[in-house]
Amino acid sequence: AQSVTQLDSHVSVSEGTPVLLRCNYSSSYSPSLFWYVQHPNKGLQLLLKYTSAATLVKGINGFEAEFKKSETSFHLTKPSAHMSDAAEYFCVVSEAAGNKLTFGGGTRVLVKP
Amino acid sequence: EAQVTQNPRYLITVTGKKLTVTCSQNMNHEYMSWYRQDPGLGLRQIYYSMNVEVTDKGDVPEGYKVSRKEKRNFPLILESPSPNQTSLYFCASSRADRGLRITEAFFGQGTRLTVV
Repeated sequence: AQSVTQLDSHVSVSEGTPVLLRCNYSSSYSPSLFWYVQHPNKGLQLLLKYTSAATLVKGINGFEAEFKKSETSFHLTKPSAHMSDAAEYFCVVSEAAGNKLTFGGGTRVLVKP
Repeated sequence: EAQVTQNPRYLITVTGKKLTVTCSQNMNHEYMSWYRQDPGLGLRQIYYSMNVEVTDKGDVPEGYKVSRKEKRNFPLILESPSPNQTSLYFCASSRADRGLRITEAFFGQGTRLTVV
């Protein structure tokens, strides 16, 4: 069975400093992994995805994530936060024959000027 | 443009009054699903459909119905809504690989439902 744990419910960073959002997953089979962002009162936008190609995945808006099978992790990073990065971020997993996306509880990012 | 369209975006209704939230996709995806979003719980799957006339329960199906008569449409039906169904609902349209692992998912803009 698949599950996702986002280790921080809230993260606060200063503008221009790095952002790290941590995600650990559990999956019986080789998973697909995604990061989505949700801005206030908006829908879900795909940041990046891993589907068994390169383990370092680059996404939109300067975000990237690294798939580490040995650590069952898929942490999201950005070298320099921007005010527009303030949003909620979801780590998501899908495994073979899973028939669904399983979401983590979300990490809310606050960016201070 | 790839799109998942949900309607309505906002809905306030009374307990027991049947309602339908519509969802339509233009990507010819076989796989569609419904999720509800509640604070601190992320999104949880309500129902999914692998193809026309093929639907199955997700993690939180109680109080909901779905139908898949056409590939592009996947409406969510609340026969007798209750206040605990107040939530933000998302429809998703997805592509899966041969192992039924989802490799791509697009979401609608969401429907904020309030049941009083």
